[in-house]
Amino acid sequence: NAGVMQNPRHLVRRRGQEARLRCSPMKGHSHVYWYRQLPEEGLKFMVYLQKENIIDESGMPKERFSAEFPKEGPSILRIQQVVRGDSAAYFCASSPRLVGMEMNTEAFFGQGTRLTVV
Amino acid sequence: DQQVKQNSPSLSVQEGRISILNCDYTNSMFDYFLWYKKYPAEGPTFLISISSIKDKNEDGRFTVFLNKSAKHLSLHIVPSQPGDSAVYFCAAGINTNAGKSTFGDGTTLTVKP
Repeated sequence: NAGVMQNPRHLVRRRGQEARLRCSPMKGHSHVYWYRQLPEEGLKFMVYLQKENIIDESGMPKERFSAEFPKEGPSILRIQQVVRGDSAAYFCASSPRLVGMEMNTEAFFGQGTRLTVV
Repeated sequence: DQQVKQNSPSLSVQEGRISILNCDYTNSMFDYFLWYKKYPAEGPTFLISISSIKDKNEDGRFTVFLNKSAKHLSLHIVPSQPGDSAVYFCAAGINTNAGKSTFGDGTTLTVKP
């Protein structure tokens, strides 16, 4: 059972271009979370999706950022018109159900996509 | 306002001794707490968690202690091994969906042989 797969691992974009980050959750996992990590900081929650639905996007910037998790295929985090401040590591995590004690499950993280905006 | 704080950016410990990593939180709504370990160029790996209905949870060499009144938790690693050298993140969430967690900035643990 492959882990959470993120691609590309490294992505370089010029200011103003679009960045598309992909996340394939573990088999059987229908819950996907996206996090962003700026240098020297912890991970910051961005968005939580289930298949075909955005459940919680409270951590997502209001402009230029969007996410989807279609019925078929990977989850996509899309950043339009990138700026230097978007340079960060973007992590995706997946779980088979909600994470928590009662659910007795955890979220599994991918290796991340390191976005550099030049 | 940072809701989860790890005040020690780094910690150095001798192999075989105890490592104690600390974490403080401010949001009283948090009732589920997690520790993750992260190696460079990899994603975080879940280590251990604790619910607010407990004050201790143990898994092998790892024990997490929770002091709700002080809004403080700690991770104890005994005995520490060189392979434990990594960045450790404390995270807090609400039990109904702890996948949406608030992370601290991490503590870099170095275990010296």
